[in-house]
Amino acid sequence: GENVEQHPSTLSVQEGDSAVIKCTYSDSASNYFPWYKQELGKGPQLIIDIRSNVGEKKDQRIAVTLNKTAKHFSLHITETQPEDSAVYFCAASEGGGADGLTFGKGTHLIIQP
Amino acid sequence: SAVISQKPSRDICQRGTSLTIQCQVDSQVTMMFWYRQQPGQSLTLIATANQGSEATYESGFVIDKFPISRPNLTFSTLTVSNMSPEDSSIYLCSVGTGGGTEAFFGQGTRLTVV
Repeated sequence: GENVEQHPSTLSVQEGDSAVIKCTYSDSASNYFPWYKQELGKGPQLIIDIRSNVGEKKDQRIAVTLNKTAKHFSLHITETQPEDSAVYFCAASEGGGADGLTFGKGTHLIIQP
Repeated sequence: SAVISQKPSRDICQRGTSLTIQCQVDSQVTMMFWYRQQPGQSLTLIATANQGSEATYESGFVIDKFPISRPNLTFSTLTVSNMSPEDSSIYLCSVGTGGGTEAFFGQGTRLTVV
């Protein structure tokens, strides 16, 4: 089955700086890669996703890149703000919302004021 | 995106008892899933809730421990049976409309077994 590795487990950045979280996956059949943000006491919130026919996707301060050859994808957050502090999870699946997701272990992002 | 409501939001239960968690969606969805998130950990897929048929369980999860119902396209339940302290986790319902679209999560049910 699929295995998703996520690094780092904790990331502390100064407000206004950029943050990058990286994930690798093992199953070449995976073609859908979402990122979720989870705040304390809440369910995961989808923030951005990318499919295997696209190399990069951007939504305002958030971007995701995908390298299918190397089987890795990354989340980039620019101009970080205090409200970006949360746990971020990457995930992978073969069929988007039609399949269950395999999650990475999560990254605790801390934005220092 | 779909609005997903889970009940209860939290509960404290005695070991040996069972708890049924409900998941209600505000629109018909093709796929419904149940996940477990142990304290401070990532999410693990328990099973896919199939409408009108038995759920499909992932390795390590069995129907006797986690029976699931899905009577229609907007509702599902997960029961955690014969609970032990190791079952203390957040249980999350997720939905997808199929066809390669996104998956959304409910707010979760925080279960503590004492």
